[in-house]
Order: sequence, then C-alpha cells, then structure tokens
Amino acid sequence: KQEVTQIPAALSVPEGENLVLNCSFTDSAIYNLQWFRQDPGKGLTSLLLIQSSQREQTSGRLNASLDKSSGRSTLYIAASQPGDSATYLCAVRLGSSGDKLTFGTGTRLAVRP
Amino acid sequence: EPEVTQTPSHQVTQMGQEVILRCVPISNHLYFYWYRQILGQKVEFLVSFYNNEISEKSEIFDDQFSVERPDGSNFTLKIRSTKLEDSAMYFCASRQTGVNEKLFFGSGTQLSVL
Repeated sequence: KQEVTQIPAALSVPEGENLVLNCSFTDSAIYNLQWFRQDPGKGLTSLLLIQSSQREQTSGRLNASLDKSSGRSTLYIAASQPGDSATYLCAVRLGSSGDKLTFGTGTRLAVRP
Repeated sequence: EPEVTQTPSHQVTQMGQEVILRCVPISNHLYFYWYRQILGQKVEFLVSFYNNEISEKSEIFDDQFSVERPDGSNFTLKIRSTKLEDSAMYFCASRQTGVNEKLFFGSGTQLSVL
C-alpha cells in the first residue's frame, strides 16, 4: 500500500527566504506526482505535475523535483512571500492503482512579513 | 479560467438523513472524482467515474454512497443514510483525458452530520 509522508508538518519563515518542502513515498512505481496548495476552508489548487519520466518541473518561483528510485520529491519555493502561506500537499498516482491519487499529510507554511 | 463548481458550500444534516452533494466539472473533462478530508486528516480518495460508470472506488465508498451524472454537466454524490463519521469536507475533481493530466478540484462541500 502506498504511503506518502511530508516533512516538516509545519514551517514558519520570514518573507524573502528560500525554502524546501519534502515528500516521500513508499512505492516507486508511480505515473506522476502532483504538488497542490490548500488554503484554509478552500479546495486544492494544482501547482505542478511531474511525470515519472521527468526529473523536475518549474513554474514561476516554484520548482519541484522527483527522484523515483529513492521515493522522494521536493518543492522549492524561491523568495517566499506572505501570500505563499498555505498548506502544501503532495499526491502520487500509482501505475497499478487505477488513477486515484494518494495524498500526503501536508506541510503548513507560514511566511511572516 | 474554467473551474469545478460545488454546491452547497456547507450542508448540515441529521444522522440517518440522505444528502446529495452537487458538482459541475469543467466542461471538456471526461474523468470525475470525489475525495474527502476529515478535519485534521489526509485527503482520501472515494470514487472515480468515467464513461458513465464507476471506474474505481475505495473501501470507504460502501453501499451507502452512490454517484451519478444525471445530465451533461452535473456530477452528484449521494449518501443514503448519513453517519456521524461522514462529517468531512467533500471535494469533487475532474481532469482531461491523458494519464499525466492535472486534477482540478472544486472548493468543497463541508458536510456536518449531527
């Protein structure tokens, strides 16, 4: 059974810092991995999707990497802003489990002005 | 930008009552999903739906749950006899064809069973 773990559970940084969020998964036979942002009481917004054949994806200040063999992904946020404050979730789609996503527990990020 | 729309945003019901949660997926999407998130816990998969039938369901999705696409735009989740433990945020999601297409989520329906 696929398990997805995210560390740290919470993170507080001053504005302008670069930061890294970590995601690990136990079954490396994945189709893809997505990073989502969740604001309090709101839905999930897909930030980046990395296919199993890719090593990284970039969108603006966000960069996500994938190391399938070690079962790890990182989300790098450059020059953090207070508007980046949210919970960040990673989710994997296993090749053998249909097309459902298995989510991690999330990292709650607070960026202090 | 197109979005997935869910109604209502909040639903309060008594235990044992039936509820229907409604969703309008993005219009050119063909794959539809329901997920839920109990307060403080992970987002969990419930069911996926394609070509007018369930393609996969989790062990949570028992006989009390059903899904339907009654017309070309709506996608509903029905819980026949709600239990206290059904209290959660329910998210609808949709995506286009293709194994590496992003999933788009609605803003959720907060279901409270009293």
